[in-house]
Amino acid sequence: KQEVTQIPAALSVPEGENLVLNCSFTDSAIYNLQWFRQDPGKGLTSLLLIQSSQREQTSGRLNASLDKSSGRSTLYIAASQPGDSATYLCAVRGGSEKLVFGKGTKLTVNP
Amino acid sequence: EPEVTQTPSHQVTQMGQEVILRCVPISNHLYFYWYRQILGQKVEFLVSFYNNEISEKSEIFDDQFSVERPDGSNFTLKIRSTKLEDSAMYFCARDRGRTDTQYFGPGTRLTVL
Repeated sequence: KQEVTQIPAALSVPEGENLVLNCSFTDSAIYNLQWFRQDPGKGLTSLLLIQSSQREQTSGRLNASLDKSSGRSTLYIAASQPGDSATYLCAVRGGSEKLVFGKGTKLTVNP
Repeated sequence: EPEVTQTPSHQVTQMGQEVILRCVPISNHLYFYWYRQILGQKVEFLVSFYNNEISEKSEIFDDQFSVERPDGSNFTLKIRSTKLEDSAMYFCARDRGRTDTQYFGPGTRLTVL
């Protein structure tokens, strides 16, 4: 059974700092991995999709990497801003259509 | 990002009552999903729906739950007899298959009293 873990559970940084969020998964047989952003009481906004054959994906200040063999992904956020404050969720898709989620990292960027 | 809407945004119901949550996905997405998130917990998969049939369901999705796409547009989740522990955010999601980005709706907050 796939398990997804995100470390740290919470992170507080000053504005302008570069930061890395970590995601690990137990079963490396995945189709892809998605990173989401969730604001309090809101839905999930997809940030990046990285296929199992890819090593990384970039969108603006975000860069996601994937090391399938070791069961790890990172989300790098460059030059963080207060508007980046949210919970970031990692989810993997294995042998079926469903996503299996981690519990998330709650990011606070202080002005 | 393709838009999906969910109604209602918030539903309050008494224990034992039936509720129907609705989702309106865009037409060229083939796979539809329901997930739920209990406050402070992980997002959990409930059911996937493809070609007007359930393709996969979790152990949470017991006989109290059902899904259908009655008019080829709306996608509904019905909970027949709600329990206190059904209180959660319920998200509808859709995509074009397992290699595609899965897009989520804004959610319905269900409160069971």
